[in-house]
Amino acid sequence: GESVGLHLPTLSVQEGDNSIINCAYSNSASDYFIWYKQESGKGPQFIIDIRSNMDKRQGQRVTVLLNKTVKHLSLQIAATQPGDSAVYFCAENPFGQKAGNMLTFGGGTRLMVKP
Amino acid sequence: EPEVTQTPSHQVTQMGQEVILRCVPISNHLYFYWYRQILGQKVEFLVSFYNNEISEKSEIFDDQFSVERPDGSNFTLKIRSTKLEDSAMYFCASSEYTGVGGELFFGEGSRLTVL
Repeated sequence: GESVGLHLPTLSVQEGDNSIINCAYSNSASDYFIWYKQESGKGPQFIIDIRSNMDKRQGQRVTVLLNKTVKHLSLQIAATQPGDSAVYFCAENPFGQKAGNMLTFGGGTRLMVKP
Repeated sequence: EPEVTQTPSHQVTQMGQEVILRCVPISNHLYFYWYRQILGQKVEFLVSFYNNEISEKSEIFDDQFSVERPDGSNFTLKIRSTKLEDSAMYFCASSEYTGVGGELFFGEGSRLTVL
């Protein structure tokens, strides 16, 4: 069925290195994608989003890449810091404006930053 | 910074009991949501609410669930007769507008444990 999934459940990186977290989606109708960070005991926190008419969007130390051809989304974190340690979820909005923010979340990747 | 607040942070209840989870969305937001996350699993959409009525609901949101905005600030999720499988973290979220670019702000969640 339609789903959003992640390739790597756990990613361990050295402090200062760049991190890349990947996500595969299967709903070609999705037009909006978001990355969330979830720290232990907290709710998901918005990091960055991208619309389907773009293939790259940059924020502060983060970049999201969208490859619609292979239905792939990635989150790049530059100069990873200990405070980046968390679970990262990708989410898609497969219904556009029709169904508001009825997001479908992926399974999550745990990022562990080693000092 | 404005935030979504949820109470209680943790509730333990017996199977078959009614539970009400409370949320105070961000004050100028018009769209409200409940999501849940069973331990170790994905965040799942339950329901969205706008203009005092449900906009969308998922298959999870059956007749045992209801939502209400009893006054100008609170947004509640009621589970009439809890089941073991209702044990999860329930996240309330709100957004200023819906659809693409309408960033969801999540609360820190209410953990429900059904015994």
